[in-house]
Amino acid sequence: EAQVTQNPRYLITVTGKKLTVTCSQNMNHEYMSWYRQDPGLGLRQIYYSMNVEVTDKGDVPEGYKVSRKEKRNFPLILESPSPNQTSLYFCASKREGLYNEQFFGPGTRLTVL
Amino acid sequence: EDQVTQSPEALRLQEGESSSLNCSYTVSGLRGLFWYRQDPGKGPEFLFTLYSAGEEKEKERLKATLTKKESFLHITAPKPEDSATYLCAVLLNAGGTSYGKLTFGQGTILTVHP
Repeated sequence: EAQVTQNPRYLITVTGKKLTVTCSQNMNHEYMSWYRQDPGLGLRQIYYSMNVEVTDKGDVPEGYKVSRKEKRNFPLILESPSPNQTSLYFCASKREGLYNEQFFGPGTRLTVL
Repeated sequence: EDQVTQSPEALRLQEGESSSLNCSYTVSGLRGLFWYRQDPGKGPEFLFTLYSAGEEKEKERLKATLTKKESFLHITAPKPEDSATYLCAVLLNAGGTSYGKLTFGQGTILTVHP
């Protein structure tokens, strides 16, 4: 089954404790992206990657890191999480082509205390 | 600054009561518009792509339309299973890449009562 998977689905952590949220897709998509979703603000892009070893900042990159060492994986790293990073995070992927739709993962709900 | 606004924020309908959701935008470099559906606890699921003003797309009880300033998602005779959050996203040309950039609205929460 074609899908985007994320782990963990739920995470409660404390301020300053480094964490990684994994994202993997099995559709051989070149493009991958991370979003956060907050009430009243919609989905906002954090980082994206157009291919292996090619990443760039989205609209809200502060406090996050990413890497793209393999085509299928695009982990999101929070080196020193803070409470304002409490949010619902989505990973997405798509094929090359302007009008191809993005496929989204199931989401990771992160709480930083 | 590029802005995408959806209205209403929430909409309650009775089963069979048709209505429309609005997505208005002020952006430069619009290349198209997407509609997604999001169920609680899940990621957004693709519904439609609209490429240019005047275009319409239909799927079951949903019809999406696009003008130069806004898009509508018309829901005809909705059923309780249509209850979800509906997201629109404008597709912008991002630096001439072949991927573009999506800017999302905040969503409309639709509840259809039996």
